[in-house]
Amino acid sequence: RKEVEQDPGPFNVPEGATVAFNCTYSNSASQSFFWYRQDCRKEPKLLMSVYSSGNEDGRFTAQLNRASQYISLLIRDSKLSDSATYLCVVNAQAGTALIFGKGTTLSVSS
Amino acid sequence: GAVVSQHPSWVICKSGTSVKIECRSLDFQATTMFWYRQFPKQSLMLMATSNEGSKATYEQGVEKDKFLINHASLTLSTLTVTSAHPEDSSFYICSARVGYRDTNVLTFGAGSRLTVL
Repeated sequence: RKEVEQDPGPFNVPEGATVAFNCTYSNSASQSFFWYRQDCRKEPKLLMSVYSSGNEDGRFTAQLNRASQYISLLIRDSKLSDSATYLCVVNAQAGTALIFGKGTTLSVSS
Repeated sequence: GAVVSQHPSWVICKSGTSVKIECRSLDFQATTMFWYRQFPKQSLMLMATSNEGSKATYEQGVEKDKFLINHASLTLSTLTVTSAHPEDSSFYICSARVGYRDTNVLTFGAGSRLTVL
C-alpha cells in the first residue's frame, strides 16, 4: 500500500464549480499534513496546512480525519487559475522529509 | 521569505556523462536538504537526506555511488548524477528545511529537468 494515495483525476470542471479532492495516508503516526499545488514543470508550492479542526483559506477548505487517515481539499468557485496538480503531503515526524501523493490534476475551463 | 536557488533548471547530456545540480539557500542556513526525483505523472520520491557536514542518508533503491550528494556548507548542497543514462532522465528537486531541527517548513528549489540522450 502506498504511503499517500490520491485519485489522479483528471477533474475537468467549469469555472465557478465546487470540486473536492480526497487523500488517504497509511502511517497512523503521521503528524503533519499539507496540500501543495504543482503547476506543469514547476516545483510544488505550499497551498495550505491541514489541521484536525479543519481550516479554510479563502475558497479553499481542508479537513483531516485522523481516525480514518483521510484528508480532503474543497475548492469553491473554481477559477481558471486553479488548474494545476494538487498534491497531498504528509510528514511522519517533525524535521523529516515530506511524503507526497501522486497528485490530482484539476482542469478548470471557461 | 526563504528562497532556495537551484541550478541548472534544465540540462541535456549524453549518456555516460556526469551532471551536477546545485542548490543554494539564500538568506538562511539549510542544515538539512532533501533531494527528490519526479518522473512524468508520478509523485515526488525522496532520494536522500543530506545534513551539513555529514554523509547523506539514501532511500532504499537509490544508489549512493551513482547519486553523489555533498552538503559541505550551510548554504550549498549538490547532487551529482554520475555516468548518467536515459533512465535517469527526470525532474530533480531539492528542498531545505527552514528553521530549527523540528520544523516542518520546507522550501523548494525550482527543480532541474535532466534529459539524458
